[in-house]
Amino acid sequence: DSGVTQTPKHLITATGQRVTLRCSPRSGDLSVYWYQQSLDQGLQFLIQYYNGEERAKGNILERFSAQQFPDLHSELNLSSLELGDSALYFCASSDLRGRGTDTQYFGPGTRLTVL
Amino acid sequence: QKEVEQDPGPLSVPEGAIVSLNCTYSNSAFQYFMWYRQYSRKGPELLMYTYSSGNKEDGRFTAQVDKSSKYISLFIRDSQPSDSATYLCAMSVNSARQLTFGSGTQLTVLP
Repeated sequence: DSGVTQTPKHLITATGQRVTLRCSPRSGDLSVYWYQQSLDQGLQFLIQYYNGEERAKGNILERFSAQQFPDLHSELNLSSLELGDSALYFCASSDLRGRGTDTQYFGPGTRLTVL
Repeated sequence: QKEVEQDPGPLSVPEGAIVSLNCTYSNSAFQYFMWYRQYSRKGPELLMYTYSSGNKEDGRFTAQVDKSSKYISLFIRDSQPSDSATYLCAMSVNSARQLTFGSGTQLTVLP
């Protein structure tokens, strides 16, 4: 158990809908990363937050957005869903407090199916 | 061309074999190198984390980094059926930045 939790585990929805994925980082970790894993694209970085602020953006679509709250949990919002958005979405967290442990620990993922 | 290329597999070996998993990369800015193991589409689990060129050993696992050749490897000694999983190499330009992953190698260790 990495200590990173994600909800829900599975999500089935229809095209055009909007969903929210939730991530709680490991206790004490300041940074949260979102990744998407699909069969054709592999594991790809979407976005990083650090202590509530956006730090880096990757291949994140404009239909997707994220935020990190004061309690450090994060949400990834996916809107106007398309069939191609079906994938596993992982959240990872890391300390980044300068204590030398910057390893990213991954949660169990949310499996999104768009029908 | 992808920034990180990983031997695609799948790889099937008998129990007890030595396994070699490999990745090459094109971005010379990558400084941190990791190997993750992923079971059945569950969350990736960190196996090895290295910064410098050379070898790092942890039990049956050895990670090797050759920055001059832009090549990293993971060796698994005395492989076990429980090692059957997908292995992902990952790298980043610094420890606080996002990871760039290889496509993964699916390994099956046969009893």
